[in-house]
Amino acid sequence: DAGVIQSPRHEVTEMGQEVTLRCKPISGHDYLFWYRQTMMRGLELLIYFNNNVPIDDSGMPEDRFSAKMPNASFSTLKIQPSEPRDSAVYFCASSLTVYEQYFGPGTRLTVT
Amino acid sequence: EDKVVQSPLSLVVHEGDTVTLNCSYEVTNFRSLLWYKQEKKAPTFLFMLTSSGIEKKSGRLSSILDKKELFSILNITATQTGDSAVYLCAYKYYGGATNKLIFGTGTLLAVQP
Repeated sequence: DAGVIQSPRHEVTEMGQEVTLRCKPISGHDYLFWYRQTMMRGLELLIYFNNNVPIDDSGMPEDRFSAKMPNASFSTLKIQPSEPRDSAVYFCASSLTVYEQYFGPGTRLTVT
Repeated sequence: EDKVVQSPLSLVVHEGDTVTLNCSYEVTNFRSLLWYKQEKKAPTFLFMLTSSGIEKKSGRLSSILDKKELFSILNITATQTGDSAVYLCAYKYYGGATNKLIFGTGTLLAVQP
């Protein structure tokens, strides 16, 4: 299995631009998680899906962030408009249960 | 407010040393505590602990949970440079319809040759 796939791996954009991060979970995994990691705040859960349905989005910072999972093999996290404070590494993870989550390689986002 | 605190924040040791990493928590609806290792990229799962006093072991790594005192430790014996990483602990939060992991900020371990 290729593991969790994320794209792009690096993204540099200007403030105000729209950013879309993509994730392909491991086939057969029912759960998909989006995390953000920064030095200051560590690894924070943004939102997670179970069977393509959003279960908990309480970690989504504000309305500028949105996530979708149109099918079992694809999810997106969109930031519009982006701001410098959104700069972070964004991880997607998938799992059969909540426990043993398999993380993707992450997308390093820099907003200038 | 639920919180997970890891200590120390960072640690530098020499190969062959034994290290102990700490994770204390104050949480509601506690179910399990997990340890992850994060090298240059993504976190990878190490252990899940649910019961007090039962040690989980994998090679040179071991971990134990104390649900009375609300902490867990991760021990690494005979450290190697490949153990250099950020070690994250997380608790499984269960509240109604939501069921998720809440991570601590991690301990950065550097093992010098």
